[in-house]
Amino acid sequence: GESVGLHLPTLSVQEGDNSIINCAYSNSASDYFIWYKQESGKGPQFIIDIRSNMDKRQGQRVTVLLNKTVKHLSLQIAATQPGDSAVYFCAEGGSYIPTFGRGTSLIVHP
Amino acid sequence: DTEVTQTPKHLVMGMTNKKSLKCEQHMGHRAMYWYKQKAKKPPELMFVYSYEKLSINESVPSRFSPECPNSSLLNLHLHALQPEDSALYLCASSQPGRTSGANVLTFGAGSRLTVL
Repeated sequence: GESVGLHLPTLSVQEGDNSIINCAYSNSASDYFIWYKQESGKGPQFIIDIRSNMDKRQGQRVTVLLNKTVKHLSLQIAATQPGDSAVYFCAEGGSYIPTFGRGTSLIVHP
Repeated sequence: DTEVTQTPKHLVMGMTNKKSLKCEQHMGHRAMYWYKQKAKKPPELMFVYSYEKLSINESVPSRFSPECPNSSLLNLHLHALQPEDSALYLCASSQPGRTSGANVLTFGAGSRLTVL
């Protein structure tokens, strides 16, 4: 079936650097994407979403970019902080139930 | 109140035990979900309730039995589980349907289940 996947399972960065987490999707009909952050011992938390009629959306320190041509989206975190250490999941939400990608573990070194 | 509360946080049970996981939300959400999450894996959908009716069962074994007593509560009854059922069980809620933001789920912290 259709899948949502990630390129890198683990990303290590230094505090203060910018982080980029990538996600590839295969369902060309997907029209809505969500990024979740899951900290250790917690459930996933909504970070930011984007609809397919947009190619960029910005939040506080986070930016999501969507490239529909190559079916790719990315989450950019500016000035990464230790509190950003977590697993990040992209999810395709165009169907009623979001489908989660594989996840990327972000490790921020002080 | 923007929380989904799950109890217990940790549960250890034998294969012959009967136990239940509980979930509660007071955000007025009318869709509630159970997910299973193994270590270092994404959440896997188990069940969806929409307006207190079971709308999706992802071919989950009958040893897992969901129940939605009202719009705020969701239970997962466990019986005769296997050690491979050990996992983090996540409850989530959302508005049903596909209006703007409808697919954004609010998750609880999960119940960590260990089956001996």
